Amino acid sequence: DAGITQSPRHKVTETGTPVTLRCHQTENHRYMYWYRQDPGHGLRLIHYSYGVKDTDKGEVSDGYSVSRSKTEDFLLTLESATSSQTSVYFCASSRGDLDDPLHFGNGTRLTVT
Amino acid sequence: QKEVEQDPGPLSVPEGAIVSLNCTYSNSAFQYFMWYRQYSRKGPELLMYTYSSGNKEDGRFTAQVDKSSKYISLFIRDSQPSDSATYLCAMRGKSNFGNEKLTFGTGTRLTIIP
Repeated sequence: DAGITQSPRHKVTETGTPVTLRCHQTENHRYMYWYRQDPGHGLRLIHYSYGVKDTDKGEVSDGYSVSRSKTEDFLLTLESATSSQTSVYFCASSRGDLDDPLHFGNGTRLTVT
Repeated sequence: QKEVEQDPGPLSVPEGAIVSLNCTYSNSAFQYFMWYRQYSRKGPELLMYTYSSGNKEDGRFTAQVDKSSKYISLFIRDSQPSDSATYLCAMRGKSNFGNEKLTFGTGTRLTIIP
């Protein structure tokens, strides 16, 4: 989706280091989400935001924190990366209408060694 | 048991065949049903969206929801090599806002053989 960009696209990091993934959207969407995608588990919600500085936990939030200081930016931080956090991370956004789908970025492939 | 079950495949069919992809679910509160298509190394993109039971058609794609059986399907007619992708079902019940309760299937990897 051209309206959502994620950076970096690929990252390799060592166990115990902090990592921040960035998501930027140009759709002026109120809601933003961070998912991780793993084989056999599908997409699982980590955290989401329903407005600037308003965030909440998803299904798999342990070890992750988020921040949203502007409508267009949503940051995901792995406070101390572990090998179990090796995954593909997707950011998504939506207007929040009942029939409005999620619009996804193209993902960040994170490897924790 | 997962709330949403989806056969991971892989599924390989010849070009021009009709493809049937399916998901079952256990939560009777689900009312909104979606199919996303995900190409390799890309994010999912919405393909079909249906509310409650019934069929919805869009070109070569038909989404079908049977709430009594807790079963949803996506049919692809006249399949093309460009349809080769992973197909994810997703569903949710009513929520006050957003998609924070959206539950995804694990995805079915489909390959269309020319």
